[in-house]
Amino acid sequence: NAGVTQTPKFRVLKTGQSMTLLCAQDMNHEYMYWYRQDPGMGLRLIHYSVGEGTTAKGEVPDGYNVSRLKKQNFLLGLESAAPSQTSVYFCASFAAPTYNEQFFGPGTRLTVL
Amino acid sequence: AQTVTQSQPEMSVQEAETVTLSCTYDTSENNYYLFWYKQPPSRQMILVIRQEAYKQQNATENRFSVNFQKAAKSFSLKISDSQLGDTAMYFCAFMKHYAGNMLTFGGGTRLMVKP
Repeated sequence: NAGVTQTPKFRVLKTGQSMTLLCAQDMNHEYMYWYRQDPGMGLRLIHYSVGEGTTAKGEVPDGYNVSRLKKQNFLLGLESAAPSQTSVYFCASFAAPTYNEQFFGPGTRLTVL
Repeated sequence: AQTVTQSQPEMSVQEAETVTLSCTYDTSENNYYLFWYKQPPSRQMILVIRQEAYKQQNATENRFSVNFQKAAKSFSLKISDSQLGDTAMYFCAFMKHYAGNMLTFGGGTRLMVKP
């Protein structure tokens, strides 16, 4: 049982390049989330999904797109990376109703030059 | 919208002593959950303790306990018998029941445990 995994762990992009971050969970959770963490700050919600085929905007969605084609996967895309998107990105999945806890992946450190 | 405030950016404590981290939140909801997460240098987010708003009894997990004051919208974390491995960032977080179950985080408190 791997829990929540994220690919890649590190990435460096040039301004204007695109990339996709992959999140996978093997716990059969309905809900999945993408957060970003900037230096010295708490996590902020980018997008989330309440089930396969559904997505919704969070607090800071601009510049990102997401897809949830399979229940176990949640993809975060950057179409044209900007230096302001330099951050650590966390994926999480939600276990309800027993635990009401979000389980987090290890994070992806992204640097945009 | 909910907001979570952690007013102590940094704290330090001597090993084996007790430390309390503060958290206040603002919400009009009556049904919600509160959490404390630990983030060590490895960056992994680790759940420390959770509190259901409808429960009056304060949650405890071994050396960790909370003081939940619903009317005051306060949710502090007490760490007893501090250990070097407790050195980390600590985040307070709020989750509204249902409606996406998203987390709203505070800005964090950096805790250093000194030998």
